Amino acid sequence: LAKTTQPISMDSYEGQEVNITCSHNNIATNDYITWYQQFPSQGPRFIIQGYKTKVTNEVASLFIPADRKSSTLSLPRVSLSDTAVYYCLVGENTGNQFYFGTGTSLTVIP
Amino acid sequence: EPEVTQTPSHQVTQMGQEVILRCVPISNHLYFYWYRQILGQKVEFLVSFYNNEISEKSEIFDDQFSVERPDGSNFTLKIRSTKLEDSAMYFCASRGLLAGGRYEQYFGPGTRLTVT
Repeated sequence: LAKTTQPISMDSYEGQEVNITCSHNNIATNDYITWYQQFPSQGPRFIIQGYKTKVTNEVASLFIPADRKSSTLSLPRVSLSDTAVYYCLVGENTGNQFYFGTGTSLTVIP
Repeated sequence: EPEVTQTPSHQVTQMGQEVILRCVPISNHLYFYWYRQILGQKVEFLVSFYNNEISEKSEIFDDQFSVERPDGSNFTLKIRSTKLEDSAMYFCASRGLLAGGRYEQYFGPGTRLTVT
């Protein structure tokens, strides 16, 4: 299982774009990259998943370079409600083990 | 939107007692999971369950833990003899195949277990 490394914490002002990078140097060919968001005392919530290049949905974009050894979650125009912990997970799409790293605690400042 | 439910939301028990945490996964999902999160720490994988048997388990999931799908809807985690260090939030998750071949895990709201 590929280990992931993320910054422990980040601060951002409301309305700005936030980019959170995750390093996964040992990613395997069959691994996908998935990002989750977790608010205090709640279960993690799926944000976005990708395999390569760029994926965009209604809440975020995910950028994955050609070597796939890192990925960047981009949150456009964050609001106070985006204050949460963001986790990057790497694993097979059909796998049965999912290990969360320490995550990145994002604080959005008014 | 379908959701995973968990009961109870908070369970207080004395050390050495048995507890059963209950989960109702999303109805057409086939893969089920339990995770725990000690206060202030990361989410930790405990076990995955598919086709009525354990698929994978972590080092945390020792002989004190067991899982069961007693009927077509519930998925339970049993801790036989609780220890103080079992105090944590326990999350159930289920996973299904979505359009485009992507699998996505849905997490429940969690059960906060307090062992005194």
